[in-house]
Amino acid sequence: DIQMTQSPSSLSASVGDRVTITCRASQSISSYLNWYQQKPGKAPKLLIYAASSLQSGVPSRFSGSGSGTDFTLTISSLQPEDFATYYCQQSYSTPPVTFGQGTRLEIK
Amino acid sequence: EVQLVESGGGLVQPGGSLRLSCAASGFTFSSYEMNWVRQAPGKGLEWVSYISSSGSTIYYADSVKGRFTISRDNAKNSLYLQMNSLRAEDTAVYYCARTEQLVPPSTYNWFDPWGQGTLVTVSS
Repeated sequence: DIQMTQSPSSLSASVGDRVTITCRASQSISSYLNWYQQKPGKAPKLLIYAASSLQSGVPSRFSGSGSGTDFTLTISSLQPEDFATYYCQQSYSTPPVTFGQGTRLEIK
Repeated sequence: EVQLVESGGGLVQPGGSLRLSCAASGFTFSSYEMNWVRQAPGKGLEWVSYISSSGSTIYYADSVKGRFTISRDNAKNSLYLQMNSLRAEDTAVYYCARTEQLVPPSTYNWFDPWGQGTLVTVSS
């Protein structure tokens, strides 16, 4: 199984900050990497698919990059509604689909 | 509006059974692959099971293999998860999620949308 490791596990930042979350795969997954946002008590929401494609309706301050084993999710200017937990997910070698452990983004 | 609505969760004793349902609307259900994903309290996301659009191909996570059965009824636009021999570690919110993908021959795929989830608690 492909293991996905996110860093950091938690992060404190302020409104307006630029934030980067990293996801590393245990083997190359090409660009088969997706990012989700989850707020407390809510279902995950797709942000980025295929490593860098922005899902329709997602603000342009969100961007994704990377290929192979190393990927990043960047929020260019944090907004109050962006404080949530973020998960990466690989869809290269399935089953099983695997997720990163999550990165909790908190208000500083 | 594309929508997935889960139901069937609840409190069950260890060793018991439960059947979850996921009602789909707003899209041609029979054309899409579907999944169950769960999230234990305070934990991350864990993929549980997959079923192809016709139901002919099914996969399970090792943690549920032999105990859970995924199925679908395309005539009723519904997805199911039969859970038997439940354990305390199966306690989680269970989400159904549609597999979305780029136009073939691309094989890029992701989960979108997700249902709101249904809570399963396994406890005596």
